[in-house]
Amino acid sequence: NAGVTQTPKFQVLKTGQSMTLQCAQDMNHNSMYWYRQDPGMGLRLIYYSASEGTTDKGEVPNGYNVSRLNKREFSLRLESAAPSQTSVYFCASSGGAISNQPQHFGDGTRLSIL
Amino acid sequence: EDQVTQSPEALRLQEGESSSLNCSYTVSGLRGLFWYRQDPGKGPEFLFTLYSAGEEKEKERLKATLTKKESFLHITAPKPEDSATYLCAVQATNQAGTALIFGKGTTLSVSS
Repeated sequence: NAGVTQTPKFQVLKTGQSMTLQCAQDMNHNSMYWYRQDPGMGLRLIYYSASEGTTDKGEVPNGYNVSRLNKREFSLRLESAAPSQTSVYFCASSGGAISNQPQHFGDGTRLSIL
Repeated sequence: EDQVTQSPEALRLQEGESSSLNCSYTVSGLRGLFWYRQDPGKGPEFLFTLYSAGEEKEKERLKATLTKKESFLHITAPKPEDSATYLCAVQATNQAGTALIFGKGTTLSVSS
């Protein structure tokens, strides 16, 4: 059971390039999330999808777009990468009809923008 | 504003030296408080969920407790393999969806 799988694990981009980060979960969870983690800042929510077909902005959505492709997959797109988007990106999922169930995380994508 | 503050930022212990990590929170209404462990280069790993004041959860050498203003993660007789960053997060009733608000974490180092 893989849990939450993120690809790629590492990526280096040049300013202005675009990229899509992929996330898939095999736990049949309804909700999925994208966070970024920066030194001294903690984890901050970028976007989330409460259920298939819905997406909502989190705390830091500017410069990002998301797609909930199906129940398993939730992608994060950087249309024009900026150095300020250098970070570690984590995808998470949580399941069931009870909203306060724990979120389970992937191992992250380490993204550097030059 | 909903807020989570963890202390200390870093903690160094000798093997077997018990201690506690603190998570203070300010939220309008608490749906749940979550503790995670994060190893270098990995994603956060879920440890505990606490829902109401007075609740306690235990797992091996870890025990989490909750009051109306803070949570403690007690580590009894730690071992070097307990070295990690411990994250606290809250889910507030006024937050849209199921969003979590994370603290910045406490980095624990246990030496033998």
